[in-house]
Amino acid sequence: GAVVSQHPSRVICKSGTSVKIECRSLDFQATTMFWYRQFPKQSLMLMATSNEGSKATYEQGVEKDKFLINHASLTLSTLTVTSAHPEDSSFYICSGGLNQETQYFGPGTRLLVL
Amino acid sequence: LAKTTQPISMDSYEGQEVNITCSHNNIATNDYITWYQQFPSQGPRFIIQGYKTKVTNEVASLFIPADRKSSTLSLPRVSLSDTAVYYCLVGPASGGSYIPTFGRGTSLIVHP
Repeated sequence: GAVVSQHPSRVICKSGTSVKIECRSLDFQATTMFWYRQFPKQSLMLMATSNEGSKATYEQGVEKDKFLINHASLTLSTLTVTSAHPEDSSFYICSGGLNQETQYFGPGTRLLVL
Repeated sequence: LAKTTQPISMDSYEGQEVNITCSHNNIATNDYITWYQQFPSQGPRFIIQGYKTKVTNEVASLFIPADRKSSTLSLPRVSLSDTAVYYCLVGPASGGSYIPTFGRGTSLIVHP
């Protein structure tokens, strides 16, 4: 299957700082990628749809100014958590696919905000 | 979007066959059914996908009845390493682009 990578795998930061998470499709091109957030013992919650060359589409309740998404190329989407706070601590996962009904997920990024 | 309903949890023992059923009563004509597996602190992994009847690959089988209002993921001879959360997703939504949305999933625990 297709491979999606994320970097970093885990990050610890101080409250108020910004953190960038990269999502790369290694062996395919993805015009659309999805970003999810997962809290302990819960399911994946879709945050936004990342579209190459255009603005991301955010789910209701997700602040676009806080979670900046950039999809500058067909193989890279980035999620920047700006002015992170402890409540932003979570597991962030991205996905992309050769076609939209089959998604391949990254390994996730564990964010801990102190 | 077609909503999915799965059992919250299941228990099994090594070597047994496990069947996890997902209900999707309002599935659309052009929707596919896809199952993913997720281990703790990892991203979901694609298991199998189908549209109708039966699909089999090296790890699982997917049974879809004629009305497509449900589907059953079958894991033959499970091992301890199959302990994970299994998600059933339905899409793409008719008339629009696909937004993969996860339900609560089924937590499978395989006992020795």
